[in-house]
Amino acid sequence: SYELTQPPSVSVSPGQTARITCSGDALPKQYAYWYQQKPGQAPVLVIYKDSERPSGIPERFSGSSSGTTVTLTISGVQAEDEADYYCQSADSSGTYPRVFGTGTKVTVL
Amino acid sequence: EVQLVESGGGLVQPGGSLRLSCAASGFTFSSYEMNWVRQAPGKGLEWVSYISSSGSTIYYADSVKGRFTISRDNAKNSLYLQMNSLRAEDTAVYYCHVGATPRGVFDYWGQGTLVTVSS
Repeated sequence: SYELTQPPSVSVSPGQTARITCSGDALPKQYAYWYQQKPGQAPVLVIYKDSERPSGIPERFSGSSSGTTVTLTISGVQAEDEADYYCQSADSSGTYPRVFGTGTKVTVL
Repeated sequence: EVQLVESGGGLVQPGGSLRLSCAASGFTFSSYEMNWVRQAPGKGLEWVSYISSSGSTIYYADSVKGRFTISRDNAKNSLYLQMNSLRAEDTAVYYCHVGATPRGVFDYWGQGTLVTVSS
């Protein structure tokens, strides 16, 4: 199987910057997607193709990629950004076309 | 408006079977690959299965391979998941998902249907 590893939690004060990493061997070859999920709700796509932002997603959300690690950055964190965040990608062989990361809980202090 | 509406969840005994359905509307269903994704209580997202737009290509997570079968009926705009030999660890909310790909940002989720495997 293929795994994407994220830190379990990130804590940040309002107005500060939160960075969430996602590591996986195939990330240099496969795009990453980031989802935000609030309690009791379905996930929402916040970043696609490593760094593209869907319409309607605030500019404070951005994505980047470097080697086997992709990063979701939330600049100027707001209380409403408190949620679970998951990266998603694929393995290099195509056997596992969609794999989710372990998830990161973002807490706004 | 794009809608994905799952149904078929419920309580089932270990070893039993269930068939989930996902009714799609508001987009050209036959043009999009689809997925089932699940989330156990208090746990993270887990991809379960993928089916291409035509149904000709299918993949499964190792955890369900040989027990679950994904299918679709493009004439009925519907996605299915036949789940056999269910185990306690299959207990989860199951989501129907059309996901963003390198070809586009089209990404929608259903509201989920709860499957509980318990005696």
